[in-house]
Amino acid sequence: DIVMTQTPLSLSVTPGQPASISCKSSQSLLHSDGKTYLYWYLQKPGQSPQLLIYEVSSRFSGVPDRFSGSGSGTDFTLKISRVEAEDVGVYYCMQGIHLPWGFTFGPGTKVDIK
Amino acid sequence: EVQLVESGGGLVQPGGSLRLSCAASGFTFSSYEMNWVRQAPGKGLEWVSYISSSGSTIYYADSVKGRFTISRDNAKNSLYLQMNSLRAEDTAVYYCALGYMDVWGKGTTVTVSS
Repeated sequence: DIVMTQTPLSLSVTPGQPASISCKSSQSLLHSDGKTYLYWYLQKPGQSPQLLIYEVSSRFSGVPDRFSGSGSGTDFTLKISRVEAEDVGVYYCMQGIHLPWGFTFGPGTKVDIK
Repeated sequence: EVQLVESGGGLVQPGGSLRLSCAASGFTFSSYEMNWVRQAPGKGLEWVSYISSSGSTIYYADSVKGRFTISRDNAKNSLYLQMNSLRAEDTAVYYCALGYMDVWGKGTTVTVSS
């Protein structure tokens, strides 16, 4: 099974400051089709998760450009260039390469505002 | 607008059964793979099951294999999850999600307790 880890598990950020979350997978997420199946989600308090980033670095429709994703292989990063109050919640990374064995989410990183 | 609406949750005794439904609208349901994902109270996200667009390919998490059955009715734009032999540890909010979790419903709550 692929194990996903995230650091830090919690983060307190001053509005307007940048934030960064790391996600590591126990196996490479690079598929033979050339795509890397790493996704980022945000679950705001009391809401369903929403997709932010797909395939490492592509922003989903409507996602502000202050969110960016990077990385390759087993190491990935989500960056928020300038945190806003509406960005609070729990951020999850997810792998989607080993579908027969299922999708795996990271433990989540809780982001709040100082 | 893409919309997913789950229903069918409730309180059930250990060993009991429930059938969850997910009504889809705003997109061509028959063209998309679908998933069920759950979230236990205060916990992270756990993938439960996947079904391909035609329904011909299905996968389950080990934790539900042999007890849960995913299905879909493309004529009715609906996704289902039949849950049998329910356990306390199945207590969670159950979300249906489009594709590789691009869009999520609001979820339906399942509580397994005597």
